[in-house]
Amino acid sequence: GAGVSQSPRYKVAKRGQDVALRCDPISGHVSLFWYQQALGQGPEFLTYFQNEAQLDKSGLPSDRFFAERPEGSVSTLKIQRTQQEDSAVYLCASSLPLGGPEETQYFGPGTRLLVL
Amino acid sequence: SQQGEEDPQALSIQEGENATMNCSYKTSINNLQWYRQNSGRGLVHLILIRSNEREKHSGRLRVTLDTSKKSSSLLITASRAADTASYFCATDNQAGTALIFGKGTTLSVSS
Repeated sequence: GAGVSQSPRYKVAKRGQDVALRCDPISGHVSLFWYQQALGQGPEFLTYFQNEAQLDKSGLPSDRFFAERPEGSVSTLKIQRTQQEDSAVYLCASSLPLGGPEETQYFGPGTRLLVL
Repeated sequence: SQQGEEDPQALSIQEGENATMNCSYKTSINNLQWYRQNSGRGLVHLILIRSNEREKHSGRLRVTLDTSKKSSSLLITASRAADTASYFCATDNQAGTALIFGKGTTLSVSS
């Protein structure tokens, strides 16, 4: 079946604008993750959902970042009042339930955000 | 903060040679995974090794894990130009809710 998809693939925002990034996980995947990847760095964890419950949001860098997954499938990462330091690639990943026999996270292609 | 540190940061080799990348981590783990990322793309899972395993193979990939030294290595044998990518090791966080990635090794294989 289809993999994880993300939209938009590229987003240019003026500083101070709000942006919304969408993630469509693999059908049937209970767990969903958001990561932020700065240029030349590895991905850094932002937040984790199991179904619609946000179980860990310890990686969100500020209260300008908000994520939701209201029906336990599609997720949206919202960044309010964007700043230049928010420029990065935002990766979404999904997996079967943690602790199960399959723990691989499947990543989407990412949304590249540039804040001017 | 990032848990793993890959070494070297960059590696350039010729097709047919073997490529070895190392990863060190800080805290105890349940498993360690290696991912690959082509430029401008998402990450692709390569292999997972559990904390009670010492070595694992998958095709041209060989992964070792030494929990006493908190280190892992990824060996790609008979490299191809298509192996050119960045390679990341990742461990689970203590809560078991996310992966913690290193900064990656950029591998360049020239033909």
